[in-house]
Amino acid sequence: AQKITQTQPGMFVQEKEAVTLDCTYDTSDQSYGLFWYKQPSSGEMIFLIYQGSYDEQNATEGRYSLNFQKARKSANLVISASQLGDSAMYFCAMREGGSQGNLIFGKGTKLSVKP
Amino acid sequence: GAGVSQSPSNKVTEKGKDVELRCDPISGHTALYWYRQSLGQGLEFLIYFQGNSAPDKSGLPSDRFSAERTGGSVSTLTIQRTQQEDSAVYLCASSRAPGSFGETQYFGPGTRLLVL
Repeated sequence: AQKITQTQPGMFVQEKEAVTLDCTYDTSDQSYGLFWYKQPSSGEMIFLIYQGSYDEQNATEGRYSLNFQKARKSANLVISASQLGDSAMYFCAMREGGSQGNLIFGKGTKLSVKP
Repeated sequence: GAGVSQSPSNKVTEKGKDVELRCDPISGHTALYWYRQSLGQGLEFLIYFQGNSAPDKSGLPSDRFSAERTGGSVSTLTIQRTQQEDSAVYLCASSRAPGSFGETQYFGPGTRLLVL
């Protein structure tokens, strides 16, 4: 079974609107971290936001917020006030507490922002 | 300081040749990771270093792949007798220390490998 599932291969959003990118995860660890990365067409992986399994508050970083629902094992990324520069691939990733530290990535969602 | 750097940025090679990919992590980062991203796919973990040691090499796809890290800094990923299925982007990441599951990994720009 996949540990990270991103069910939306592609998404469109109108500029200035908000968009939610879905991510569900599967782990039996109690301690884990969830990450979102952005990959523009240039190829670099840019860290956006982090949520720890014990964090009670949803993480926020500027226009990015993480809608963390632990019981449902979901960690959706919300981008508010979309900008043209937000067009990119977005990857959800998990690091399990018992692992050697590597990230497990989903297959990604391609977001296109329309002017 | 500077971010993670990787070289070369692009590499084209012929099937059967050996290639070396280099990663220079962020200064002070003790943990270093190699990932591979095939076209249109997510990232696949290859190997992790804590200092100069690689505790687990099980992520390497075959014995043609090897990696080393010297001086707790620069790492080299070597692919021997390259095959066309090795064509991918090879990404390196580093973090301060692997102890916390919240430690953020910062990625380099990647090396795009094409095996003809």
